[in-house]
Amino acid sequence: SQQGEEDPQALSIQEGENATMNCSYKTSINNLQWYRQNSGRGLVHLILIRSNEREKHSGRLRVTLDTSKKSSSLLITASRAADTASYFCATDGETSGSRLTFGEGTQLTVNP
Amino acid sequence: GAGVSQSPRYKVAKRGQDVALRCDPISGHVSLFWYQQALGQGPEFLTYFQNEAQLDKSGLPSDRFFAERPEGSVSTLKIQRTQQEDSAVYLCASTPRRIKKNQPQHFGDGTRLSIL
Repeated sequence: SQQGEEDPQALSIQEGENATMNCSYKTSINNLQWYRQNSGRGLVHLILIRSNEREKHSGRLRVTLDTSKKSSSLLITASRAADTASYFCATDGETSGSRLTFGEGTQLTVNP
Repeated sequence: GAGVSQSPRYKVAKRGQDVALRCDPISGHVSLFWYQQALGQGPEFLTYFQNEAQLDKSGLPSDRFFAERPEGSVSTLKIQRTQQEDSAVYLCASTPRRIKKNQPQHFGDGTRLSIL
């Protein structure tokens, strides 16, 4: 069963706007990762944030982590049509060992 | 290789048939994972190898599912007596070293399995 839940399930925006996706999880984690998946393709790693970090940036991506609320957010700034994809958060935790536990994903559509 | 390679990309089988899905991880990668992704859902963990040793198979849904990695490189996921609920995309991922915290996984494009 999935421990992560993304919110919203689907998001449609115009090019140039910012997109924010949220993720919640249930158990203690070592780190949280965000992945992107284009239709019919595998997952591509975007960014990893450790449990002792609160915010991380990579290019147009900003990730926050609130371990007290067991939640994370992914912000994509100045979105482009090419950002259209599904975005998943994934956690690995003290009790889950090596496996990643994925949320159900947010389908982002960026309209040109 | 340049990336994780999975074959076939698409597989259609009749209910009750056996299927075998192949994963070629990135050359030299020690750890290999299999995930199952149902339509519209996130991937779910199936099993994990470190070299040829299958260290975690707790995600395999039934004894009809079997995975192996006999020489510590290529892996095969076999599903016996397939059922319609086995229809999904099967993803393979690898990492360069023994799994440790804070490592991203490198995914293949998956095999889309359809059971008729």
